[in-house]
Amino acid sequence: KAGVTQTPRYLIKTRGQQVTLSCSPISGHRSVSWYQQTPGQGLQFLFEYFSETQRNKGNFPGRFSGRQFSNSRSEMNVSTLELGDSALYLCASRVGTEDTQYFGPGTRLTVL
Amino acid sequence: AQSVSQHNHHVILSEAASLELGCNYSYGGTVNLFWYVQYPGQHLQLLLKYFSGDPLVKGIKGFEAEFIKSKFSFNLRKPSVQWSDTAEYFCAVTARNNNDMRFGAGTRLTVKP
Repeated sequence: KAGVTQTPRYLIKTRGQQVTLSCSPISGHRSVSWYQQTPGQGLQFLFEYFSETQRNKGNFPGRFSGRQFSNSRSEMNVSTLELGDSALYLCASRVGTEDTQYFGPGTRLTVL
Repeated sequence: AQSVSQHNHHVILSEAASLELGCNYSYGGTVNLFWYVQYPGQHLQLLLKYFSGDPLVKGIKGFEAEFIKSKFSFNLRKPSVQWSDTAEYFCAVTARNNNDMRFGAGTRLTVKP
């Protein structure tokens, strides 16, 4: 089975712009979660989607949003980018919301 | 909400030394516990997990962890480390009623050959 894939792998944006990141889960997995990883804050939970519905949300501002499509693929959007949004954004998928999560390689976002 | 503490920020060992990385969580209810590893330049991989049953769980590459409910701990162990174990190790917990995964800050392990 193919693993979780994320596109793009690297992205450079400037302050004030917006960005959309994409995640394709493992086939058959209906849950997709997003995390932000930074050296200072570590791994922080952003949100989880299951069957196109947001189930849980972490403590991030409203500039961070996401959605999930009927094929379980998910996108994450960050509007009005700030320097502090520079991070590795990880996507993880699992079959259901009680199962083990499998992580993708991440998208490295740099905000200049 | 649940939280996770990993007390060791950076651990340096020589090959063949024994390893124990601490992980404590705070949550009063039932939890699922995980250890993930991130090798340099690679993505997070699951080492082992505990959902229920035998509190001593064995994972890949000779790692094991013991869930001690009374101590809210899930420490990771390996009797003899190898240079290839150099990586960052993350403890994580999900609460049974909300399922969002909380990670510890991570422990960087450096194994000297």
